[in-house]
Amino acid sequence: DGGITQSPKYLFRKEGQNVTLSCEQNLNHDAMYWYRQDPGQGLRLIYYSQIVNDFQKGDIAEGYSVSREKKESFPLTVTSAQKNPTAFYLCASSIVPLAGRNEQFFGPGTRLTVL
Amino acid sequence: GESVGLHLPTLSVQEGDNSIINCAYSNSASDYFIWYKQESGKGPQFIIDIRSNMDKRQGQRVTVLLNKTVKHLSLQIAATQPGDSAVYFCAEVPTGTSYGKLTFGQGTILTVHP
Repeated sequence: DGGITQSPKYLFRKEGQNVTLSCEQNLNHDAMYWYRQDPGQGLRLIYYSQIVNDFQKGDIAEGYSVSREKKESFPLTVTSAQKNPTAFYLCASSIVPLAGRNEQFFGPGTRLTVL
Repeated sequence: GESVGLHLPTLSVQEGDNSIINCAYSNSASDYFIWYKQESGKGPQFIIDIRSNMDKRQGQRVTVLLNKTVKHLSLQIAATQPGDSAVYFCAEVPTGTSYGKLTFGQGTILTVHP
C-alpha cells in the first residue's frame, strides 16, 4: 500500500468513547490527509496537513481532531461529538502539490464500528 | 456546490472486452483529474491522471480521455480481466482550491465475468 500503514484494520468502540486511528508513512511526503468513506459513497475529506505542526479542516471536520507532530505520522481522533462515526477511514499522503498535480497514495484503511 | 459525478454506478463486462467508465464534472475550472481503483476493503490505488491541457493520456491497458467542451472524463480499460473488478473513482482538483483538496465522484462498480 505504497508505504502507508494504518492501524488497526478493524476497530470497535462504544458510544461516547473517543478513539484514535493511526497513520504512518515512510515516503517522506510532506502532505497527509484523512478521508471518510461510507458504503456506496465516494471519499470525503476530514482534515489535511501540508507540513508538520500545521493542519486544515476539510469538508467534514466536525467531531474529529488531528495532530501532526512528526512528518511521518498523522493520527486522527474520532470524538464522542461525531454523531455517526461508523465508516471506513482512509489516510493518504502526497508530496506538496505543484502546478495542480496531486497524486495521493492511500493506506489500507481502518473500519470503525460503533456498538 | 460543484461536484464530480458518474453516469453509471455499475458496469458488467465479459473478460477480454474493453470497458469504458464515465465521469461528468461540473467545475470547468478544474485543471487536474485522477482515476483511482479501489478493491473491496482496501484503499484506492492510483491508475492514471491527466492535466486539463491534454485530451488523452495512455497507460498500460488504460486510457483516459478528457473532453473539456462537455466536461466529461472517461477511463478505458482494454482487454478487461477479472482482476480489474473494483470500484473506480474519478477525482478532480479545481483551480484555486487549497492544495490537497481532491473532490471524488461517487464511483462505478466494475464487474468482470470470466
